[in-house]
Amino acid sequence: DAKTTQPNSMESNEEEPVHLPCNHSTISGTDYIHWYRQLPSQGPEYVIHGLTSNVNNRMASLAIAEDRKSSTLILHRATLRDAAVYYCILRVINTDKLIFGTGTRLQVFP
Amino acid sequence: DAGVTQSPTHLIKTRGQHVTLRCSPISGHKSVSWYQQVLGQGPQFIFQYYEKEERGRGNFPDRFSARQFPNYSSELNVNALLLGDSALYLCASSARHAANQPQHFGDGTRLSIL
Repeated sequence: DAKTTQPNSMESNEEEPVHLPCNHSTISGTDYIHWYRQLPSQGPEYVIHGLTSNVNNRMASLAIAEDRKSSTLILHRATLRDAAVYYCILRVINTDKLIFGTGTRLQVFP
Repeated sequence: DAGVTQSPTHLIKTRGQHVTLRCSPISGHKSVSWYQQVLGQGPQFIFQYYEKEERGRGNFPDRFSARQFPNYSSELNVNALLLGDSALYLCASSARHAANQPQHFGDGTRLSIL
């Protein structure tokens, strides 16, 4: 199973942009890059996913390196409600199996 | 629309007992997956079912089993419970069996083994 590497923790102030990095040097050509986040006492929540091109949705943006060996989740203006553990996951084609790592715990300060 | 619902929300069992956890996927979703999350760690994949057939199994002992019903709801069964089975059990559903489909998680069943 392809693995990802993320920093254990990051901090941000409210209203500032946050860039959460993820390395996935063993990614294969058909692996999708997914991001989920988990708030305290809740199940993981889907954030965004992409294959090759950068992606934007109402929650975040996903920037994917040209060689696809790394990606960055961008929260444009952090709020206190964005404090969570963020997981970067490589999803193999034709499977629903998600391989979670330990994720990045994001703290947001007022 | 209702999200993924799991029952019960909390459960306390003793070693050696068995437990059944239930999951109702989002309406129209045919794929259901189960995960175990031990405190302080990320979720670990247990099973995936699509159209009532097992499509994937994680590295868990045979004490763990699951099934999916014609209405796409699912049950996870664990026999001969051990202290190490104490965890949050998460169910996720998706519309199709494909890597570009987001998975939608319930808030889980917290299982405590005494």
